[in-house]
Amino acid sequence: QVQLVESGGGLVKPGGSLRLSCAASGFIFSDYYMAWIRQAPGKGLEWVSYISSRSATIYLADSVKGRFTISRDNAKASLDLHMNSLRAEDTAVYFCARAPYDTTHSFYYMDVWGTGTTVTVSS
Amino acid sequence: QLVLTQSPSASASLGASVKLTCTLSSGRSRYSIAWHQQQPEKGPRFLMKVNSDGSHIKNDGIPDRFSGSSSGAERYLTISSLQSEDEADYYCQTWGSGILVVFGGGTKLTVL
Repeated sequence: QVQLVESGGGLVKPGGSLRLSCAASGFIFSDYYMAWIRQAPGKGLEWVSYISSRSATIYLADSVKGRFTISRDNAKASLDLHMNSLRAEDTAVYFCARAPYDTTHSFYYMDVWGTGTTVTVSS
Repeated sequence: QLVLTQSPSASASLGASVKLTCTLSSGRSRYSIAWHQQQPEKGPRFLMKVNSDGSHIKNDGIPDRFSGSSSGAERYLTISSLQSEDEADYYCQTWGSGILVVFGGGTKLTVL
């Protein structure tokens, strides 16, 4: 079945780095845009980044621009989020999601979500 | 600016119906949105897309009790015959060129 499994979360000190990974299965990974979304404790969903199917287009939210990068390996059906210069406000559960494009209505949406991996930034 | 507005909370009795609202910011009334459900301690789950003409397309496995509709800048998620497992947070989401991905603040649904 279609599945996304995140890994790599943990406790890191402010200013530190972490790499999150998302393993995809059950679908043709290279056909889809993919996204990272996060959720701070007790808060709502916040989009972080997305990447096009061939990595030609990458977008990052202003809150992480210059600190985070996104990448993918279509051969391995994996998605990564490289996080540098981490801050306390980056503490959140990070979800990866599949992001198909609705060509009729011209919008991207998330149709498959992972279960998330927790990142805690604290000294 | 593309903004989605949701009421923070809603409640309804077991077996009753509830209609959740997601309001698009001014000038965006033709945008489609997606509804996502997040049960306690779980990852979100995509429920359906709702378009400006009121049409909606559900994810596989979503019960018939869930439906979507639209009026102007408002997009709705209606849940009928409420069950205890429907108690969750519900988020709407859209996308805009140059604005990218936007989520509403979420509605916490309590089943009484």
